[in-house]
Amino acid sequence: DGGITQSPKYLFRKEGQNVTLSCEQNLNHDAMYWYRQDPGQGLRLIYYSQIVNDFQKGDIAEGYSVSREKKESFPLTVTSAQKNPTAFYLCASSIDDGPNTEAFFGQGTRLTVV
Amino acid sequence: QQPVQSPQAVILREGEDAVINCSSSKALYSVHWYRQKHGEAPVFLMILLKGGEQKGHEKISASFNEKKQQSSLYLTASQLSYSGTYFCGSEPYGQNFVFGPGTRLSVLP
Repeated sequence: DGGITQSPKYLFRKEGQNVTLSCEQNLNHDAMYWYRQDPGQGLRLIYYSQIVNDFQKGDIAEGYSVSREKKESFPLTVTSAQKNPTAFYLCASSIDDGPNTEAFFGQGTRLTVV
Repeated sequence: QQPVQSPQAVILREGEDAVINCSSSKALYSVHWYRQKHGEAPVFLMILLKGGEQKGHEKISASFNEKKQQSSLYLTASQLSYSGTYFCGSEPYGQNFVFGPGTRLSVLP
């Protein structure tokens, strides 16, 4: 079955450590996205990639980094520079980044930094 | 800038109707609607492009008035399965797609 997979579902890290969240899709989608969701808030865009080896900052990119070496993979690293990293992280993909394309979301990774 | 959604939350009885509104301060090219159940991924409902079109998905429909920069989601004869948080997402011209804060809908038996 085609879909988008995030792992792990739950992640605990100590403050000051970098952590990488995995996102893999087998939908052959060009565009991929990372969102952060905090309780009672909407989804805020961290980074997005329209094509392999290219990515752009979203609205809240500070303290995060990404790579897009393969079409199907778009890992997100939460660095120690992110001041408040505890959140629910969602990865999504779409055929392209046009206005008429729906996004498919992974099940999310809940990151807790202690 | 994030679109505004209203109401923030709504509680319904099964079979009742609801309207969720989404508005933006910027001119929009499209509006997307998603539903997210607690602890799950958001699921796509529909996209509306400029032109004042309406779309339907089962008993859920939506309208988009690009002149007013507003969209409304209509839930008719609500079912228990409609419970969740509804997000609109807007795409201002030349800018990144951005989601609204969400409207929490609870449908009670």
